Amino acid sequence: QVQLQESGPGLVRPSQTLSLTCTVSGASISARGYYWTWIRQPAGKELEWIGRVYSSGGTNYNPSLKSRLTISLDTSKNQFSLKLTSVTAADTAFYYCARVRERAPFPFDEWGQGTLVTVSS
Amino acid sequence: DIPMTQSPSSLSASVGDRVTITCRASQYISNYLNWYQHIPGKAPKLLIYAASSLQSGVPSRFSGSGSGTDFTLTISSLQPEDFATYYCQQSYNTWTFGQGTTVDIK
Repeated sequence: QVQLQESGPGLVRPSQTLSLTCTVSGASISARGYYWTWIRQPAGKELEWIGRVYSSGGTNYNPSLKSRLTISLDTSKNQFSLKLTSVTAADTAFYYCARVRERAPFPFDEWGQGTLVTVSS
Repeated sequence: DIPMTQSPSSLSASVGDRVTITCRASQYISNYLNWYQHIPGKAPKLLIYAASSLQSGVPSRFSGSGSGTDFTLTISSLQPEDFATYYCQQSYNTWTFGQGTTVDIK
């Protein structure tokens, strides 16, 4: 049974860096056939795809966040992480990690429960 | 970006009802359309992928149809555990989601 769990600070100050980790159990993040992604949802708004990381470590980012975003893998801990710099109140949201099936139509077949991050002074 | 439009945004229904949710893509997406269920506090769950394929372990009362730009999710007989928010997602060009449809108890 695959499980994903997000972790990280629930409160981040404006202009600081938001850092989250997704710990995966029941599957290897190095395994072929899948890659890993982050999604967020501000209150009352739509789900927004943030970016993805392949088992090779390669990445693709949402263009709207690309200049502030880093997603990386830690295969020794079976985790992947998100770092978003220079945050503002607009970055306040529930953040989810998920596994993506690496064949069309590339659905998100496993998700974490999500974690709320608030940007406030 | 490929905006996705879901309707209705919410609906009230009773156990046993047939429920239909629609999703429209702003451009052609073939069958690159997935449906998810989200109950607050729980992990979102993949229900349907490729517009009409049932994810393993999902009850057969859930079904999906459509291709191109117009898609439908149907719950044939609503059960108590189905009260949730449902999202469509296109995966033709990265990923975008519909705004969600909340199904609550009438």
